[in-house]
Amino acid sequence: NAGVTQTPKFHILKIGQSMTLQCTQDMNHNYMYWYRQDPGMGLKLIYYSVGAGITDKGEVPNGYNVSRSTTEDFPLRLELAAPSQTSVYFCASWDISYEQYFGPGTRLTVT
Amino acid sequence: AQKITQTQPGMFVQEKEAVTLDCTYDTSDQSYGLFWYKQPSSGEMIFLIYQGSYDEQNATEGRYSLNFQKARKSANLVISASQLGDSAMYFCAMRELAGGTSYGKLTFGQGTILTVHP
Repeated sequence: NAGVTQTPKFHILKIGQSMTLQCTQDMNHNYMYWYRQDPGMGLKLIYYSVGAGITDKGEVPNGYNVSRSTTEDFPLRLELAAPSQTSVYFCASWDISYEQYFGPGTRLTVT
Repeated sequence: AQKITQTQPGMFVQEKEAVTLDCTYDTSDQSYGLFWYKQPSSGEMIFLIYQGSYDEQNATEGRYSLNFQKARKSANLVISASQLGDSAMYFCAMRELAGGTSYGKLTFGQGTILTVHP
């Protein structure tokens, strides 16, 4: 199993551009999450999904959108990127066991 | 609302010594889970240890143990026999379990940077 994979690893985006961060898991987990981590801070939840076709907002959803058309994929869309969205983005999945599995992260700079 | 507080921005420890990283939490639920994650300079999130709120014994995983004091709402991580490779950022996190409405969402603390000196 590859676990949770994220692409790209790094990206530089210009202000006002849009992009999609990809997340795929091969563990057949129903629950998936997007977190962001600002420098020197803990992770904050952006969006989450409890299954294909079901998504909901987390603590910091503004400026982002998600979709979940399959169990495996949970892409995060940034529309009209702003410098405040410069962050490291982590995707995670969970199968109601105690551990949440994290991807390696995407380091995004908006400039 | 849940809240996790880690009051130590940075900690230093001598190699082979033990170190305690503090974590306090706030929740109104009776059922919850507490986690510690390690984040080395490479950036990935590494799961270390888990404690359920109804677990009577403190969790242990190798050199890691979780000092769980429910009445004080604290869940401190103890690392014994520190190694140079333990230098990293450490995060405490909580997941509410009550009624299934948490959907597994984690709330993280601000983190503690641990530096192990040779």
